[in-house]
Amino acid sequence: QKEVEQDPGPLSVPEGAIVSLNCTYSNSAFQYFMWYRQYSRKGPELLMYTYSSGNKEDGRFTAQVDKSSKYISLFIRDSQPSDSATYLCAMSAYSGNTGKLIFGQGTTLQVKP
Amino acid sequence: SAVISQKPSRDICQRGTSLTIQCQVDSQVTMMFWYRQQPGQSLTLIATANQGSEATYESGFVIDKFPISRPNLTFSTLTVSNMSPEDSSIYLCSVGARTDTQYFGPGTRLTVL
Repeated sequence: QKEVEQDPGPLSVPEGAIVSLNCTYSNSAFQYFMWYRQYSRKGPELLMYTYSSGNKEDGRFTAQVDKSSKYISLFIRDSQPSDSATYLCAMSAYSGNTGKLIFGQGTTLQVKP
Repeated sequence: SAVISQKPSRDICQRGTSLTIQCQVDSQVTMMFWYRQQPGQSLTLIATANQGSEATYESGFVIDKFPISRPNLTFSTLTVSNMSPEDSSIYLCSVGARTDTQYFGPGTRLTVL
């Protein structure tokens, strides 16, 4: 069993839709949770960072962490064609800037105009 | 966020040869990391590179195959030695940020024939 599971998709939605991306994990020691966006032939770009449980909102993006269920989510409101990319969840048991990040497989999202 | 560059951006190499990938950051950072992203798979940490000390390798990765240098706080190299087609991947460097996260470079796309 992988430490982090993420549905690879692809996920196709119409412009303006609300998108829900999810990851589950097995290691209860994870405390630092991140979402990265990766455009084709580019490096991962940090979108959201959350420590421990709770919600965090940044513009059209909301990240949720439920440690009791070992489940994290990223919501994208009013999705745009420019949101078309692969979304990677990542997590770490130790501080995310000094320790190993464990990544999900990535979900490919296509937003159709 | 730190600005990270990698050279080369892509290369096609013959089996049995070696390739050195460079990672340059625009500010001094303590922690630098090297990841591999194989086709259709998630990012996997190869090693952590700290300035002034030997790199720390993850299980499944060895120094003879992936020697790393970290001569100062803004630069690191990863060499992929004695390459085989199985080494065809995207190689990414990342740096630890002040916000408990990591920022990634654009990646080096390697194809081994």
